[in-house]
Amino acid sequence: DAGVTQSPTHLIKTRGQQVTLRCSPKSGHDTVSWYQQALGQGPQFIFQYYEEEERQRGNFPDRFSGHQFPNYSSELNVNALLLGDSALYLCASSPTYWAASYEQYFGPGTRLTVT
Amino acid sequence: DAKTTQPPSMDCAEGRAANLPCNHSTISGNEYVYWYRQIHSQGPQYIIHGLKNNETNEMASLIITEDRKSSTLILPHATLRDTAVYYCTSQGGSEKLVFGKGTKLTVNP
Repeated sequence: DAGVTQSPTHLIKTRGQQVTLRCSPKSGHDTVSWYQQALGQGPQFIFQYYEEEERQRGNFPDRFSGHQFPNYSSELNVNALLLGDSALYLCASSPTYWAASYEQYFGPGTRLTVT
Repeated sequence: DAKTTQPPSMDCAEGRAANLPCNHSTISGNEYVYWYRQIHSQGPQYIIHGLKNNETNEMASLIITEDRKSSTLILPHATLRDTAVYYCTSQGGSEKLVFGKGTKLTVNP
């Protein structure tokens, strides 16, 4: 049973460029959340997708957008990259959006470096 | 802002129990306590969660105080591979997880 997978593993971009990160949830999971983790900090919630809709959003600008596909996989897009966007981007999936308890399973992350 | 507070670092001898405390004094009635850990440069790993009863699984035990204002994660026989940052969070339903800085646990040989 494959866990959460993310691609690419590492990415280097230039300021002003756009980037797309991809995530495949754990088998049987229908909800995907994205987090940004700066060096030395805990992960910060970006947004969550269920049934192809953004359900919750953290304190991130509109430059951060996402999408969920019918097979539950998801993309994170960041436009007009800034140096401060350099971070580890984590995807997490959960068994079901409507459960009372809600453990999340994280992928290995994508390390984005903006130069 | 994180709704939990944890000590920034702890040390434990290999083979001994590691007891990691967490304060969540503002926890709501429907919020569960979750513990995750993150080994260097990897994605966080789910460990355990609970509402008000103590919980145990193959990885750890979770002890929640009767007033639910604090909890302790217990790794019964810590190994070097348990060296990681441990995050305690509280969450109700599908609410977003809010991580603090966690506790850096170092298991020493």
